[in-house]
Amino acid sequence: GDSVTQMEGPVTLSEEAFLTINCTYTATGYPSLFWYVQYPGEGLQLLLKATKADDKGSNKGFEATYRKETTSFHLEKGSVQVSDSAVYFCALTSSGGSYIPTFGRGTSLIVHP
Amino acid sequence: SQTIHQWPATLVQPVGSPLSLECTVEGTSNPNLYWYRQAAGRGLQLLFYSVGIGQISSEVPQNLSASRPQDRQFILSSKKLLLSDSGFYLCAWKGQAISGNTIYFGEGSWLTVV
Repeated sequence: GDSVTQMEGPVTLSEEAFLTINCTYTATGYPSLFWYVQYPGEGLQLLLKATKADDKGSNKGFEATYRKETTSFHLEKGSVQVSDSAVYFCALTSSGGSYIPTFGRGTSLIVHP
Repeated sequence: SQTIHQWPATLVQPVGSPLSLECTVEGTSNPNLYWYRQAAGRGLQLLFYSVGIGQISSEVPQNLSASRPQDRQFILSSKKLLLSDSGFYLCAWKGQAISGNTIYFGEGSWLTVV
């Protein structure tokens, strides 16, 4: 079945540092890939997405590129802010018959001033 | 545009009491609908999903049940809550392939069973 693996957290950074959160996946067919962000006490918000190979999703300074050859969708940001502190989830939805999306376990990001 | 709402946002219930969480989607038809639970500091656990009215699939044996009485309404219920039912409950719906099968979440409901 489909699976998503993302790096264990927490990731602790100083403000203005470069961020990378790794995400790799296994899936049949051509899945769509997503990053969601969850701020404390809130639901999950769609951060960015990519629906085909080599697509780059971007939003709020975050970027991720759909790499089919390495089955990866790593999240990056050039300069993090304290307000980026949250939990980040990598996810995929299958292009096949599965109705069930697949989520990673989430990576907590803590940004210090 | 499409929106999703769930309520109540917060509730505190005694052990053994019933539960009803409601989720409604607007601006789309025949969505796939999902209920997730998230324990404190943990990932998402899929509880139920539905691909149509009256069609419910259960992913994990639970003290919970789900119903879909209308196309865009999804209800999570329990007849008798347990302490272990405490957590953050999230409703979600899946867009069509044209939107990349994107999953959209509601605001979440915090349940504390005491």
